[in-house]
Parts: sequence; C-alpha cells; structure tokens
Amino acid sequence: KQEVTQIPAALSVPEGENLVLNCSFTDSAIYNLQWFRQDPGKGLTSLLLIQSSQREQTSGRLNASLDKSSGRSTLYIAASQPGDSATYLCAVNGGTSYGNLTFGQGTILTVHP
Amino acid sequence: GAVVSQHPSRVICKSGTSVKIECRSLDFQATTMFWYRQFPKQSLMLMATSNEGSKATYEQGVEKDKFLINHASLTLSTLTVTSAHPEDSSFYICSAQRSPGQFFGPGTRLTVL
Repeated sequence: KQEVTQIPAALSVPEGENLVLNCSFTDSAIYNLQWFRQDPGKGLTSLLLIQSSQREQTSGRLNASLDKSSGRSTLYIAASQPGDSATYLCAVNGGTSYGNLTFGQGTILTVHP
Repeated sequence: GAVVSQHPSRVICKSGTSVKIECRSLDFQATTMFWYRQFPKQSLMLMATSNEGSKATYEQGVEKDKFLINHASLTLSTLTVTSAHPEDSSFYICSAQRSPGQFFGPGTRLTVL
C-alpha cells in the first residue's frame, strides 16, 4: 500500500526566502506525482504535475523535482511571498490504478512580511 | 480550462436528513470522477471512484448505502449522504480526471446538527 509522507508538517519563514518542501513515497511504481495548494476551507489548486518519466517541472517561482528510484519529490519555492501561505499537498498517482491519488498530510506554510 | 464546480459550497442540515452534493466538470468531459473527504487539519481520504454509466467503486470502510454516488453524465457526479449524522460533518471534495491529472472542485462543507 502506497504511503506518502511530507516534511516538514509546518514551516514559517520571512518573506523573500527560498524554501523546499519534501515529499516521500514508499512505492516507486507511480504514474505521476502532483503538487497541490489548498487555502483554508477551499478546494485544491494543482500547481505542478510530474510524469514518472520526468525529473522536474517548473512554473514561475515553483520548481518540482522527482527522484522515482528513491521515492522522493521536492517542491522549491523561490522568493516566497505572504500570498504563498497555504497548505501544500503532495499526491502520488499509483501505476496500477490510474487516477487513484494517495495524498500526504501536507505542509502548512506561513510566509510573514 | 479544466474547471470543476461543486454545489452547494456549504450546507447545514438536521440529523436524519439526506444531503445531495453535485460535482460538475464545466469545460471538459470526465468519465471518471472521485469523491474525497477531509477532516479538519487532515489530508484528503478517497471515498469512492465514480465512473460514468456504471456503479461507483468504494474504498474500504466507506458505506455505499450511506454515501450514494450517481455519475449519470460525462459532466456530473452526485454524492448523496443519506440519513446524515453529526459524525458525517466534514469537508467533501470532488475531482474530475483529465489526463494526466485530476482537477478538484472547491469543496462542500457539510455540518450535521
């Protein structure tokens, strides 16, 4: 059974810092991995999706990497802003169950001015 | 593109009543939709996979007679919580599969008094 772990559980940083969120998964047989953002009481916004054959994806100040063999992904946020404050969720799409996502517990990010 | 809506966004009901939640893919067709449940400060837990024109597949521990799912068209799936009880109070989120990822609705906050 796939298990997804995110570290740290919470992170508080001053505005402008570059930061890294970590995600690890136990079964490396994945179809893809997605990073989401969730604001309090809201749904999920997809940030980046990395296919199993890819090593990284970039969108603006966000960069996500994937090391499938070691079961790890990182989300790098450059020049953080208070508007980046949210919960960041990592989700793995298992290779044998297309579309079935297993979520990590999330990292609660607070960027203070 | 890839917008998913949910209705209602918030519902309060009395114990014993039934509540229907709608999930719509607005600008694409989705043969597969997913229903998740999220308790406060926890991650998303998959409840069931909804397939257009066929019966939903429920995750272990989810009562199919309590959580009725209907996926009657390629753009609409509904979740009906029957005979709701206070312990059913939660945040329910749907997603629609659009290869290669999933796109999530804004969620429905259910409070059962």
